[in-house]
Amino acid sequence: QKEVEQDPGPLSVPEGAIVSLNCTYSNSAFQYFMWYRQYSRKGPELLMYTYSSGNKEDGRFTAQVDKSSKYISLFIRDSQPSDSATYLCAMSTNRDDKIIFGKGTRLHILP
Amino acid sequence: GAVVSQHPSWVICKSGTSVKIECRSLDFQATTMFWYRQFPKQSLMLMATSNEGSKATYEQGVEKDKFLINHASLTLSTLTVTSAHPEDSSFYICSAQRQGVGELFFGEGSRLTVL
Repeated sequence: QKEVEQDPGPLSVPEGAIVSLNCTYSNSAFQYFMWYRQYSRKGPELLMYTYSSGNKEDGRFTAQVDKSSKYISLFIRDSQPSDSATYLCAMSTNRDDKIIFGKGTRLHILP
Repeated sequence: GAVVSQHPSWVICKSGTSVKIECRSLDFQATTMFWYRQFPKQSLMLMATSNEGSKATYEQGVEKDKFLINHASLTLSTLTVTSAHPEDSSFYICSAQRQGVGELFFGEGSRLTVL
């Protein structure tokens, strides 16, 4: 079983819809959780950084962590074509420890 | 967010030459920097972990004599692709981990084309 599992997609949704992106993981010691957005031919951009369980909201983005289920989610409200990108989840056990990435989910927002 | 600068953003070279890519954390100190390789529509592949003042740790299957990494300061790491061949053509991305905070920030990537 891989440490971090993420459906590669592609996921296509109409503009304005709520997008739900998810990752599961196997290591219960993970405490720090991140979501990155990567546009084609660009480096990944950090979107959300959370610690332990709970929700964190930033504009149209909400990150959710359920440590009991070893499941994290990123919700995008009012999705826009400019949200079309690959989204990578990432996590680590401690602040300065190695960060483990999911494979990324390709998202297409249809105008 | 913090800024990581990667240079050059793209480079074309002849087979057999060496190419150096720089990765700088502009507004924070990074004890650890990472180098990745990414093929089109593929996920990031970690090549090596670079710690300031010590030798880099390479992932299995990555030739350390081929991909030379130097982390000379808390803000600069370099990747040198030695004796480049067409199969080394790829998108190379660096990232820097902010000391004591854990957040990881990426450079914009460098596209290498070896003719």
